[in-house]
Amino acid sequence: NAGVTQTPKFQVLKTGQSMTLQCAQDMNHNSMYWYRQDPGMGLRLIYYSASEGTTDKGEVPNGYNVSRLNKREFSLRLESAAPSQTSVYFCASSAIGTGRTEAFFGQGTRLTVV
Amino acid sequence: GNSVTQMEGPVTLSEEAFLTINCTYTATGYPSLFWYVQYPGEGLQLLLKATKADDKGSNKGFEATYRKETTSFHLEKGSVQVSDSAVYFCALSDPNNAGNMLTFGGGTRLMVKP
Repeated sequence: NAGVTQTPKFQVLKTGQSMTLQCAQDMNHNSMYWYRQDPGMGLRLIYYSASEGTTDKGEVPNGYNVSRLNKREFSLRLESAAPSQTSVYFCASSAIGTGRTEAFFGQGTRLTVV
Repeated sequence: GNSVTQMEGPVTLSEEAFLTINCTYTATGYPSLFWYVQYPGEGLQLLLKATKADDKGSNKGFEATYRKETTSFHLEKGSVQVSDSAVYFCALSDPNNAGNMLTFGGGTRLMVKP
């Protein structure tokens, strides 16, 4: 029973490098999300995908791109990493509905940009 | 826009002490309210939720009541254990939002000492 799986768990990048964070869920959820977690700031939404084939910006989308590859997979790309993107990144999914449903989270990716 | 404010931590308690973590929210409609918990090195897990005014969510000895008149959803537990040490996040979800997005507070770290 995997739930939400993120890879990699840890990554160190140099400024200007690019990388893609992968996320997959096996719960047949329609909605998927990428959040970043910074100390004292809780989780902030980067991008989300309400359903397969759609993506929308969240609170902090600058410097990121996303792809909803299929219903299971939602990737986050950093085209040119900056130190300000050092953070812990969480992918989440939820069944589409009335806003009353639970979100399931992956274990996170700790990214350091030097 | 929607926002969630929760008390800053860390909160340090002795085992069997009473716990309260305050949470207040601002929302344009009638949100659902959640408490998520993050244990060290893990992703967030749903602890409890409430979907309408005066609802009480409960789980693992934790409780929170949806108070519309004070726009609050305070988390309480009568007797904490060392295993409750974690970061607790209050969150809301706007049912008018098709993306089912969560808005999080900044998180409160709880440390319970034997």
